[in-house]
Amino acid sequence: QVVLTQSPSASASLGASVKLTCTLNSGHSTYAIAWHQQQPEKGPRYLMKVKSDGSHSKGDGIPDRFSGSSSGSERYLTISSLQSEDEAEYYCQTWDTGIVFGGGTKLTVL
Amino acid sequence: EVQLVQSGAEVKKPGESLKISCKGSGYRFTSYWIAWVRQMPGKGLEWMGIIYPGDSDTRYSPSFQGQVTISAEKSISTAYLQWNSLKASDTAMYYCARPPGGTYSDAFDMWGQGTMVTVSS
Repeated sequence: QVVLTQSPSASASLGASVKLTCTLNSGHSTYAIAWHQQQPEKGPRYLMKVKSDGSHSKGDGIPDRFSGSSSGSERYLTISSLQSEDEAEYYCQTWDTGIVFGGGTKLTVL
Repeated sequence: EVQLVQSGAEVKKPGESLKISCKGSGYRFTSYWIAWVRQMPGKGLEWMGIIYPGDSDTRYSPSFQGQVTISAEKSISTAYLQWNSLKASDTAMYYCARPPGGTYSDAFDMWGQGTMVTVSS
């Protein structure tokens, strides 16, 4: 059974960069994942899919400030030039016999 | 424009039944899986189940099997999530979502706007 682990919170300053991590459990290091953003009081929005080789494909209209990468069992979402509207919950998602979500990371922009 | 549009907010009493909907437009509805995702107040996303409208093949998360029913009506490009007897613990926001292509084993690249269900006596 695949499990995704995310840190509950992260923070970074306006204009800075932040790297969020989603970790796959043992035996699942080749899995691709997706990143979704959920701004306060809004529904989730698809950001990108990140494969084990680090390649990523973004959703329509996602700014270049958002990028994805991989290392081993970790999948990353990097947001550069942080803006106030990036303050949100970020969820990773993967798929096996079913669909699995990570617990989410709440990003605070200082 | 490709989109998923969900039905409006609902307020129900414990024990009542409910069916909420998710209408797909701008694409071939029968060729894409549609999933349902629960988000309880202040909590994360939980996958409930998924249906392929083309042949009504349906898969449920073990956590939701027997608790809800997922269905679809091809003729009106609409998927449904149904409860026979609501509980207060069903109070949540419910989202429909769609992976690309003909497989459910992929990222959800499209989301509905959500339907808030409140169950209270």
